[in-house]
Amino acid sequence: QSVLTQPPSASGTPGQGVTISCSGSNSNIGSNYVSWYQQLAGTAPKLLIYRSNQRPSGVPDRFSGSKSGTSASLAISGLRSEDEADYFCASWEDSLSAIFVFGTGTKVTVL
Amino acid sequence: QITLKESDPTLVKPTQTLTLTCTFSGVSLSTSGVGVGWIRQPPGKALEWLALIYWDDDKRYSPSLKSRLTITKDTSKNQVVLTMTNMDPVDSSTYYCAHSSVTTSNAFDIWGQGTMVTVSS
Repeated sequence: QSVLTQPPSASGTPGQGVTISCSGSNSNIGSNYVSWYQQLAGTAPKLLIYRSNQRPSGVPDRFSGSKSGTSASLAISGLRSEDEADYFCASWEDSLSAIFVFGTGTKVTVL
Repeated sequence: QITLKESDPTLVKPTQTLTLTCTFSGVSLSTSGVGVGWIRQPPGKALEWLALIYWDDDKRYSPSLKSRLTITKDTSKNQVVLTMTNMDPVDSSTYYCAHSSVTTSNAFDIWGQGTMVTVSS
C-alpha cells in the first residue's frame, strides 16, 4: 500500500539520461526529506540519495536528487549497463506517529 | 564498518508467530541518533516498511500491521528482534533489517542481505 507513486518503468540507451519521478503529498514529501534506493536484481537495496539531494560516499555523481513541493525526482546521467535496476523513493510521513513510506518502484532498463 | 545480518530463512505455518533477529556490528544501539528498522518485499513487488526502533527505545510501526508487530532491542547483544503474529501466506516475503541514523536524516543507509520467509501449511 505505497503512498508514493512512481512510474513502473523507464529506459534509455547507454550515455543517455533518465529521470524518475516520485509523487507524494503534503504529509510526506511536502514536509520531509526524500531518500532513493537502488536495488540490483537479487540483492538488497542500497541507499543512493538522502536528504532529497545528498549522495552517500561512493555513489557516483551521475545520480542526483531533487525535490519540489510534494514531488521528488531522481536523475541518472550518462546511463550505464550497471544502472539497470529497480529504484524506490521513500520519505517519512507525518501522522500521530511518524511512519516511513516507500514508493511503488521504477524498473530502469538500459537498452 | 557497519554490517547487519538477519536470521536464517524460515518456514512458518499460517496463524503461527514469526520471530526474526537482526544481528549487527560496527554500531551500538545505545548511541544517540541510531535506529534499526525492518522492511519486507514480496517477490517481484515493492518495499514495505514495517517497524523501527531507536537508541532511546522509541518504537514506530506501520499502521496497517501495528496490531501484529512487536520490535525490541538487546543492546548488550547488538540485536533487534521483530515478532509478527498470525502469519498468513501473503506475508511470504524477503525481510530486511537496516540501519538508520540522524547523519542521513533517518534514511536506511546500511542494509542486511535479507532473509526469506515462507508461510505455508
